Amino acid sequence: RKEVEQDPGPFNVPEGATVAFNCTYSNSASQSFFWYRQDCRKEPKLLMSVYSSGNEDGRFTAQLNRASQYISLLIRDSKLSDSATYLCVVNPVGSARQLTFGSGTQLTVLP
Amino acid sequence: NAGVTQTPKFQVLKTGQSMTLQCAQDMNHEYMSWYRQDPGMGLRLIHYSVGAGITDQGEVPNGYNVSRSTTEDFPLRLLSAAPSQTSVYFCASTQTGTYEQYFGPGTRLTVT
Repeated sequence: RKEVEQDPGPFNVPEGATVAFNCTYSNSASQSFFWYRQDCRKEPKLLMSVYSSGNEDGRFTAQLNRASQYISLLIRDSKLSDSATYLCVVNPVGSARQLTFGSGTQLTVLP
Repeated sequence: NAGVTQTPKFQVLKTGQSMTLQCAQDMNHEYMSWYRQDPGMGLRLIHYSVGAGITDQGEVPNGYNVSRSTTEDFPLRLLSAAPSQTSVYFCASTQTGTYEQYFGPGTRLTVT
């Protein structure tokens, strides 16, 4: 089983739609969680951290469910510029600053 | 404001050749790492360093060497290139006390 699993998609949604991605992780002792965004043929960039209480940044909401070991990302009012691959990222316990990346979920927002 | 820089951007090697991928950061970050990204596999950690003079292996270290003689530079050396090393290579650095990784633009390597 992969340490971090994501639905690869692709998700094709119209502008203005709400879309949600889920991610599961296998190590129940994992400490920190993140969503990164990667544009086509570019480097990954941090989108947001995921906190136990859930957190929101504009149109983006991240949730963590430790009991079920999954993380979610909700994007409201999708824009064309949201088209990218979204990477679920976990910091396993005892691994200093090492991060484990999921293989990504591809989103295309259609006009 | 350079951040993390990588050279070259593209490289084609023949099987058996060796080369060094360069990575430098100007943010005084202690932690640096090298990943490879293959379709459907996500980013996989090759080697990492927690500071000058200290390096350690990641998930897929075979066929690669690293060194960290300064805080700024973290080169990745391919000892004898193989077609299985065809990939996109990303270098990243992390600020002390945080987990946010800043990535370089990547090197696209093809081994024929």
